[in-house]
Amino acid sequence: GAGVSQTPSNKVTEKGKYVELRCDPISGHTALYWYRQSLGQGPEFLIYFQGTGAADDSGLPNDRFFAVRPEGSVSTLKIQRTERGDSAVYLCASSLGLAGGFGYNEQFFGPGTRLTVL
Amino acid sequence: LAKTTQPISMDSYEGQEVNITCSHNNIATNDYITWYQQFPSQGPRFIIQGYKTKVTNEVASLFIPADRKSSTLSLPRVSLSDTAVYYCLVGDPGTGGFKTIFGAGTRLFVKA
Repeated sequence: GAGVSQTPSNKVTEKGKYVELRCDPISGHTALYWYRQSLGQGPEFLIYFQGTGAADDSGLPNDRFFAVRPEGSVSTLKIQRTERGDSAVYLCASSLGLAGGFGYNEQFFGPGTRLTVL
Repeated sequence: LAKTTQPISMDSYEGQEVNITCSHNNIATNDYITWYQQFPSQGPRFIIQGYKTKVTNEVASLFIPADRKSSTLSLPRVSLSDTAVYYCLVGDPGTGGFKTIFGAGTRLFVKA
């Protein structure tokens, strides 16, 4: 079956511009995560959705970052007034999200979007 | 959130067993321990998860002592293709998900 997909695979933008990154999770997965990863570092948690609502957005670095998941499936990460420090690979993951389950939180990752801010 | 500590890097040779230990002294009662593997230019991939004692699947084994303050990922007979970064995470999946903190991981380099 189809895995998690992310578009675009690469995005180059100029400082100050607005960008949107899209994530299509595995069908039926209620939990969706966004991370960003800089070279040589582990993925940094940004936000986690359970259904349509953000269950934990404590990883968003500032108010320039915002994410939505209006219908509980596709999610969009939005970055306003991009800065050079936002350059990174943005990863999306989804999981079944069933409560109380051993192993239910296995996350399936997409290939990522490489964002470069010039 | 429980913090994890792992070695930064490890070297091994093909055919050897590799054990990567992770410390999580502040693990909470409801936390599970999960390990992921990441190859360059790819997203992490789930390897194994456990709560206590030993868990084994077709890829690896996970050993967790009674106090659960550490865990050891065991990769039997590694090959060159096991060269990757390995992450240890702890969290409570009881609500269907959790804020996932990856840390820097352990870079395993397998040599011929």
